[in-house]
Amino acid sequence: EADIYQTPRYLVIGTGKKITLECSQTMGHDKMYWYQQDPGMELHLIHYSYGVNSTEKGDLSSESTVSRIRTEHFPLTLESARPSHTSQYLCASGTGEQYFGPGTRLTVT
Amino acid sequence: AQTVTQSQPEMSVQEAETVTLSCTYDTSESDYYLFWYKQPPSRQMILVIRQEAYKQQNATENRFSVNFQKAAKSFSLKISDSQLGDAAMYFCAYSGGGADGLTFGKGTHLIIQP
Repeated sequence: EADIYQTPRYLVIGTGKKITLECSQTMGHDKMYWYQQDPGMELHLIHYSYGVNSTEKGDLSSESTVSRIRTEHFPLTLESARPSHTSQYLCASGTGEQYFGPGTRLTVT
Repeated sequence: AQTVTQSQPEMSVQEAETVTLSCTYDTSESDYYLFWYKQPPSRQMILVIRQEAYKQQNATENRFSVNFQKAAKSFSLKISDSQLGDAAMYFCAYSGGGADGLTFGKGTHLIIQP
């Protein structure tokens, strides 16, 4: 099993709150990614990073932001959560093949 | 932009039988990787098998094998001796040479009938 962790696993939060989804990996990978997945749907890339201090936007436009201050840590932040942000967020790392975390299922009420 | 198409939203197979999941993709790149990922209900996405485009030999991993047809841009997954634990969503995914993330298909829901 891959050594990539996400917290929290489940989060229910009210509209307007600021939230940070945590992602950490212990494999020393330079490249890390965030994907968004609606139930029963494919994954869409929303952010990626080539390494420390590198962040890029993915194919799917997202109001979230990311940071990469340490190699092992790639948190995703929503400044003001809205019901449209309700989804599952998956973190991954690796070059070529990617290893995925267990995901955070976010519900904004 | 690359696209990945999985034309089978759902497949059902009897336990111990063989099933093939289809995937086609579109790209103008010559160097790329293709993957099959498995996502069990409420569980982590895991890599099933990978194929490098420059390799002519089809990848195999125990009961899982692929049929990679580069000219046809086809990448199907064959699961032999299906087991109940194989029940999951299966996603075909593409990664180009620049590796700016994976492009996924919409997935195939595989049901294993006991």
